[in-house]
Amino acid sequence: DSGVTQTPKHLITATGQRVTLRCSPRSGDLSVYWYQQSLDQGLQFLIQYYNGEERAKGNILERFSAQQFPDLHSELNLSSLELGDSALYFCASSGGQGQTNNEQFFGPGTRLTVL
Amino acid sequence: AQKITQTQPGMFVQEKEAVTLDCTYDTSDQSYGLFWYKQPSSGEMIFLIYQGSYDEQNATEGRYSLNFQKARKSANLVISASQLGDSAMYFCAMSRPATGNQFYFGTGTSLTVIP
Repeated sequence: DSGVTQTPKHLITATGQRVTLRCSPRSGDLSVYWYQQSLDQGLQFLIQYYNGEERAKGNILERFSAQQFPDLHSELNLSSLELGDSALYFCASSGGQGQTNNEQFFGPGTRLTVL
Repeated sequence: AQKITQTQPGMFVQEKEAVTLDCTYDTSDQSYGLFWYKQPSSGEMIFLIYQGSYDEQNATEGRYSLNFQKARKSANLVISASQLGDSAMYFCAMSRPATGNQFYFGTGTSLTVIP
């Protein structure tokens, strides 16, 4: 158990809909990263938050947005969903006190299926 | 652009034998980290081993060792005494402090351990 939780585990929805994925980082970790894993694109970095502020952006579509709340949990919002958004979405956290490398601790992922 | 290359889509190894999974990377940064993660069929991402760009010794963690050749920009994972439970996808990743330490992932290698 990495200590990172993600809900829901599975999500099935229709094209055009909007969903919210939730992530709670490990206790003490300030950074949250979101990744998308799909068959055609592989594992791609989407966005990073550090202590509530956006820190870095990767290949995140304009239809997607995220935020990190004061309690450090994070949400990834996906809107106007398309079939190609079907993927496994990971949240990872790092940056806790005493961490000596930049290892990221991954949550179990949310599997999104868009029908 | 930062890039991680894993040229072996699939590998087979006999139980109890050693296997090397290849990874090359491309960056002009002086400071970076290299990681290997294991992803079993259940989907979770499990951290295996880390190597910092300034580390002179190759990293080892139990049966895992990282063969770091900085001049060649390679970071191969060696698994000794393979076990059936080692069958999984293996991802090499690089992080760069200059851009927030998000991971750049390779395309992965599927390892099958044969009894």
